[in-house]
Amino acid sequence: GAVVSQHPSRVICKSGTSVKIECRSLDFQATTMFWYRQFPKKSLMLMATSNEGSKATYEQGVEKDKFLINHASLTLSTLTVTSAHPEDSSFYICSARDPGTIYEQYFGPGTRLTVT
Amino acid sequence: DAKTTQPTSMDCAEGRAANLPCNHSTISGNEYVYWYRQIHSQGPQYIIHGLKNNETNEMASLIITEDRKSSTLILPHATLRDTAVYYCIVRFLQTGANNLFFGTGTRLTVIP
Repeated sequence: GAVVSQHPSRVICKSGTSVKIECRSLDFQATTMFWYRQFPKKSLMLMATSNEGSKATYEQGVEKDKFLINHASLTLSTLTVTSAHPEDSSFYICSARDPGTIYEQYFGPGTRLTVT
Repeated sequence: DAKTTQPTSMDCAEGRAANLPCNHSTISGNEYVYWYRQIHSQGPQYIIHGLKNNETNEMASLIITEDRKSSTLILPHATLRDTAVYYCIVRFLQTGANNLFFGTGTRLTVIP
């Protein structure tokens, strides 16, 4: 299947700082990418849908000013957690939709964010 | 998207077949049944999907009942590396925003 990468795989930051997470589709062009977060022993929760060249669509309850999403190219979407706090510590996962395979979604390996 | 119901957890002996059930009684005619799994601290991995007919690939088999209200994922010879949370998802395939809604899944533990 198609490959999606995320960087970094894990990051530790201090409270109040901002962290950027990258999601890349390595062998296909993804017009749409999705960002999820997952708390320990919980299921994935969709945060937002990222569309190339336009504003992201956020799920209810997700603060768009805190979780900035940029999808500037067909292979890269970034999620920036601004002014991070310990409650933002979570596992962040992106997925990319491949229009060449009946709109299948492929997931990245995830980024473990720890805010101290 | 239709909701699914899965057992919270299951155990399976190594080398035996693992049969993971899923109920989706409100599935509509053009919704597909998808299975993903998530190994600890990794992103979800696609396993298989189907609409009406049973499907088989190198990873698993998917058995969908004739009324499509339930399905079973079969891992024919479970290994320790198959220990993961397995998610059954029903979804439309459409050209618009198309995301996956993950339920709680089934935590499969393969026992040596």
